[in-house]
Amino acid sequence: EDQVTQSPEALRLQEGESSSLNCSYTVSGLRGLFWYRQDPGKGPEFLFTLYSAGEEKEKERLKATLTKKESFLHITAPKPEDSATYLCAVSRGSWGKLQFGAGTQVVVTP
Amino acid sequence: GAGVSQSPSNKVTEKGKDVELRCDPISGHTALYWYRQSLGQGLEFLIYFQGNSAPDKSGLPSDRFSAERTGGSVSTLTIQRTQQEDSAVYLCASSSSPPGSGTDTQYFGPGTRLTVL
Repeated sequence: EDQVTQSPEALRLQEGESSSLNCSYTVSGLRGLFWYRQDPGKGPEFLFTLYSAGEEKEKERLKATLTKKESFLHITAPKPEDSATYLCAVSRGSWGKLQFGAGTQVVVTP
Repeated sequence: GAGVSQSPSNKVTEKGKDVELRCDPISGHTALYWYRQSLGQGLEFLIYFQGNSAPDKSGLPSDRFSAERTGGSVSTLTIQRTQQEDSAVYLCASSSSPPGSGTDTQYFGPGTRLTVL
């Protein structure tokens, strides 16, 4: 059975304290791995798409990497506005539906 | 440009009533998805449209749930005879390309929060 597991469930950081979020997956025929950010009361906001092992993408203080079994979202020198729930999702099969992990809730304090 | 829009933003209904939720995808996006986000359940897939057809309805939880898409644009998700367990945030997403094309990133709307009393 396909699984997407995110860890930790919650992360509390001081401003400037870098850290990494993990997304491990067991999916056959992975088409792509997606990272989203979700603020309370809003829909998920797209961050990155990764398609092959070894791929890396960066945006401001965020960097996503992909291996054959997991993906990491690195947050460098976070700011309070980086506080959100970060969701990982995988796409497989013919129709592109996303299977989401449970998310990591990140709180960055000044 | 405009993103995915959904209406209403909030809906409170009584058990047993029917509800309709609307999604306006990003202009020109051919693929449209519905998801549901419940406390303790995370985000779960409901249905996928490519154009006006729905090749994947595997996530619809029961026959009380149905969806249609007209003109390759607006989609409506209908829940008949609502139950309290239907309470959740219903999210719509759209993509510019069919799955597997390499540019099939899904962009989400703000969601409709449904509360069934």
